[in-house]
Amino acid sequence: AQSVTQLGSHVSVSEGALVLLRCNYSSSVPPYLFWYVQYPNQGLQLLLKYTSAATLVKGINGFEAEFKKSETSFHLTKPSAHMSDAAEYFCAVSDFGGNQFYFGTGTSLTVIP
Amino acid sequence: GAVVSQHPSRVICKSGTSVKIECRSLDFQATTMFWYRQFPKQSLMLMATSNEGSKATYEQGVEKDKFLINHASLTLSTLTVTSAHPEDSSFYICSARGQGGTEAFFGQGTRLTVV
Repeated sequence: AQSVTQLGSHVSVSEGALVLLRCNYSSSVPPYLFWYVQYPNQGLQLLLKYTSAATLVKGINGFEAEFKKSETSFHLTKPSAHMSDAAEYFCAVSDFGGNQFYFGTGTSLTVIP
Repeated sequence: GAVVSQHPSRVICKSGTSVKIECRSLDFQATTMFWYRQFPKQSLMLMATSNEGSKATYEQGVEKDKFLINHASLTLSTLTVTSAHPEDSSFYICSARGQGGTEAFFGQGTRLTVV
């Protein structure tokens, strides 16, 4: 069975500061890992995904994440926060076949001007 | 990326009635569709997974007779909330994955309010 844990339900950063959102996974098999962003009353938009290729994954809007098997982590980072980055972020895991897809509890990112 | 359209975006219904939510994949064949429920300020809870032409697999604790899922074609899945009650009010989101695909694409969500 797979699961993900997102540490920190709320994160606040100043505009221009580094964004770091944490995600740890638990999986009995090599997983696929994803980060999604959700704006109020909207669906989810894929930021990036790891599917057993390069461990450092670059996504949209300047986000990237690094898969670290030894730490079972897939933390999301962005060098410089923008006001438009304020949203809810979800880490998700699926198995190789994509037959199960589970989400973390989410992290609400606030960007302070 | 692939587009998934969910309809309606908002619906208000009376207690005791049924509501159908549609999820369509517009530019790919969705062999697998997922239905989620999201409470305010919370994560997405997987309700069920459906493969085209097969019965949906429900997660533990989800009433299959209350949340009817149909995935009769490769581009359409529906979720029907039967005999809705106020506690069914929530944000419902579908996602779809194509054959061999590694990611799921999400609909815009449906805000259901039962009064």
